[in-house]
Amino acid sequence: NAGVTQTPKFQVLKTGQSMTLQCAQDMNHEYMSWYRQDPGMGLRLIHYSVGAGITDQGEVPNGYNVSRSTTEDFPLRLLSAAPSQTSVYFCASTSGNLNTGELFFGEGSRLTVL
Amino acid sequence: KNQVEQSPQSLIILEGKNCTLQCNYTVSPFSNLRWYKQDTGRGPVSLTIMTFSENTKSNGRYTATLDADTKQSSLHITASQLSDSASYICVVSAGNKLTFGGGTRVLVKP
Repeated sequence: NAGVTQTPKFQVLKTGQSMTLQCAQDMNHEYMSWYRQDPGMGLRLIHYSVGAGITDQGEVPNGYNVSRSTTEDFPLRLLSAAPSQTSVYFCASTSGNLNTGELFFGEGSRLTVL
Repeated sequence: KNQVEQSPQSLIILEGKNCTLQCNYTVSPFSNLRWYKQDTGRGPVSLTIMTFSENTKSNGRYTATLDADTKQSSLHITASQLSDSASYICVVSAGNKLTFGGGTRVLVKP
């Protein structure tokens, strides 16, 4: 049971380039989400999904797109990378209600934008 | 605005000693409070989840307390081990939204 798997673990981009961070979970969780973690700050929600075909914006959605075509996968797309998007990105999932369910995190993807 | 403040930002303790981390929150309506452990370069892992009615919850050498009246929580680490070196994150759930604290970085020295 792999849990939540993120790829790549590390990525360096130039300003203006685009890329996709992959996230997959094998726990049949309906809820999936993307967070970014910056030094000294709490994790901030970028986008989330409560099920296949349903996505919504979180606290800091600008510059990012998501889609949810299957229950297992929830990719995060950076359309035109900016240095402000240098961060560590975490994908997380939970079964049922976010309010009560335990949140399982991936190992993170460290992105540097030059 | 919902906020979760953790203190101290960092601390160093000797192996075998105890320590206590603090979490103060201004989150409404309160649903539950969680503590996560995050090893360097890894994702956060859940330690405890406490609802409004729970005052104390333990997970091995980790004991979390909650005072919903003063909106404070603490995480006590007993007989620290080198493997306890990590960041500890307090998270408060309000409705269907999670608010994360900035974390306390703990370094356990031999």
